Amino acid sequence: AQKITQTQPGMFVQEKEAVTLDCTYDTSDPSYGLFWYKQPSSGEMIFLIYQGSYDQQNATEGRYSLNFQKARKSANLVISASQLGDSAMYFCAMRVLSYNTDKLIFGTGTRLQVFP
Amino acid sequence: NAGVTQTPKFQVLKTGQSMTLQCAQDMNHEYMSWYRQDPGMGLRLIHYSVGAGITDQGEVPNGYNVSRSTTEDFPLRLLSAAPSQTSVYFCASSGTVDNEQFFGPGTRLTVL
Repeated sequence: AQKITQTQPGMFVQEKEAVTLDCTYDTSDPSYGLFWYKQPSSGEMIFLIYQGSYDQQNATEGRYSLNFQKARKSANLVISASQLGDSAMYFCAMRVLSYNTDKLIFGTGTRLQVFP
Repeated sequence: NAGVTQTPKFQVLKTGQSMTLQCAQDMNHEYMSWYRQDPGMGLRLIHYSVGAGITDQGEVPNGYNVSRSTTEDFPLRLLSAAPSQTSVYFCASSGTVDNEQFFGPGTRLTVL
């Protein structure tokens, strides 16, 4: 079965420090994509970063990078130089595309709190 | 472009009532989907569509119907509302598999 697991319900980090949010996934499909989304208290879903299953290099977008370890089926999000505005819920998601399905499934999320 | 729009923003229903949550996108995206978000549960896929005329079930489809008669619109129908359907509902759309999902602002539904 396809599944996304986020084992950290909450994380704290001091401003300007780096933080890693964990995500593991399970799928037997060879083609898939991994996403991270941010949901601030206002409720909207904000796309952060994408990693394809065939991508050789880890994705980076500004202060966000995705530590993709395919053999371990992990796709951890690294936020460098945390800012107070990074406080939010973070969701890992996997999109699986096969001959008869195209689904995006989410983990349960990690609440990140950045303190001064 | 308006992106993904959802109406209404808030809705209160009584048990047994039916209603339709509207979702529209103006980006010509083939893929559209509906999620519900409950505290501690993340987003769970209800139904999705890979193009006009094609829909399929997600993780939690019971109690909901969808149709996709046009590329732009993907309404979600609650057949007979139950308190367990109290949730925030998000509609999303995307193009190819490696594109981000664009989310609507959500509909907060309360069933009494």
